[in-house]
Amino acid sequence: EAGVVQSPRYKIIEKKQPVAFWCNPISGHNTLYWYRQNLGQGPELLIRYENEEAVDDSQLPKDRFSAERLKGVDSTLKIQPAELGDSAVYLCASSLAGVNTEAFFGQGTRLTVV
Amino acid sequence: GENVEQHPSTLSVQEGDSAVIKCTYSDSASNYFPWYKQELGKRPQLIIDIRSNVGEKKDQRIAVTLNKTAKHFSLHITETQPEDSAVYFCAAVRPYKLSFGAGTTVTVRA
Repeated sequence: EAGVVQSPRYKIIEKKQPVAFWCNPISGHNTLYWYRQNLGQGPELLIRYENEEAVDDSQLPKDRFSAERLKGVDSTLKIQPAELGDSAVYLCASSLAGVNTEAFFGQGTRLTVV
Repeated sequence: GENVEQHPSTLSVQEGDSAVIKCTYSDSASNYFPWYKQELGKRPQLIIDIRSNVGEKKDQRIAVTLNKTAKHFSLHITETQPEDSAVYFCAAVRPYKLSFGAGTTVTVRA
């Protein structure tokens, strides 16, 4: 089993440019999370999906961030336009449906906005 | 929302000594407490977890304790080894919401 797969691993863009991250969760995992991890800090939830429905996007900066999970499998997270403060590692995680189930993380995408 | 505080932020121990990391949480609805280990440049990986109906859990050299009344839980690593050097995150989970502490950077000195 491949685990949670994210791409790209690294991305460097100029401010005001758009950027997109892709996540393929573990097969059969209904729940998918996007987290942002700033240097030296813990992951912070951006959005959580149950199948194709975004059930918690309260922490997603909706003026510039968007996400989708078509067909309830793969997901993309987009930033448009990117700002310098968006530089961080963006982590995708997935878990089985239900409470108190282990979340498995992808390798993350390290975004640098210059 | 849930607020998870983690201490210390950095911890340096001599190889073979024990390391203890402490976390507190605010939401009494939290009932699942996983601990993740993140090595440099790698993904966070679950190392141990504890549920609210259990006070202590042990897995070889690592153990976790939970005090629900006081809303705090701790990670204990005994007989530390160089490969234990990493960032450790505690987390508190209330139904469907996983909140992380800020992390503890553990360095094991040879």
